[in-house]
Amino acid sequence: EPEVTQTPSHQVTQMGQEVILRCVPISNHLYFYWYRQILGQKVEFLVSFYNNEISEKSEIFDDQFSVERPDGSNFTLKIRSTKLEDSAMYFCASSPLSANYGYTFGSGTRLTVV
Amino acid sequence: RKEVEQDPGPFNVPEGATVAFNCTYSNSASQSFFWYRQDCRKEPKLLMSVYSSGNEDGRFTAQLNRASQYISLLIRDSKLSDSATYLCGVTTDSWGKLQFGAGTQVVVTP
Repeated sequence: EPEVTQTPSHQVTQMGQEVILRCVPISNHLYFYWYRQILGQKVEFLVSFYNNEISEKSEIFDDQFSVERPDGSNFTLKIRSTKLEDSAMYFCASSPLSANYGYTFGSGTRLTVV
Repeated sequence: RKEVEQDPGPFNVPEGATVAFNCTYSNSASQSFFWYRQDCRKEPKLLMSVYSSGNEDGRFTAQLNRASQYISLLIRDSKLSDSATYLCGVTTDSWGKLQFGAGTQVVVTP
């Protein structure tokens, strides 16, 4: 079964450092997403990406966040200057045609900011 | 008012019993509805889409009530492996922004 792959599975970084979280969506999917889940809280939408541009972003997705699809297979989330409150599980997801078909999530990257 | 609301539970269910729970959504323009299952510290996994006419997948039955703006999930003949958090997901447009509720925890006991 096709899957969404995320690396690394766990990243520890110092406050103020930049991190890049990587995702390889399912190959024939066209819509890509990032979500985060702070421990004990709900899964929150960050950003959706279609046709090489952001289609929607949440209030959480401020100037310190950026996304990129650099080479047609990878989909990255960059956090420029990490804060303690960025510690969370970050999930990448992809969908074949639109969100109305449901997503497939990757297994996530646990980001710990110290 | 939260856009997608769920009873957090936990729903403690004896093995073999039936459990049902709802999810309410606030936006009447919501288009698509889903149930996801999330195990502890794992990714959400799509359990089933929810269609207007209701749909069933094995022991799982989902219903949509647009008039009252809620969806429901019923699990029959509960198994120990059904213990998880069940997330309700709702979209309002085709671009995506699947909004999740906080989840309903189900604990199936022997």
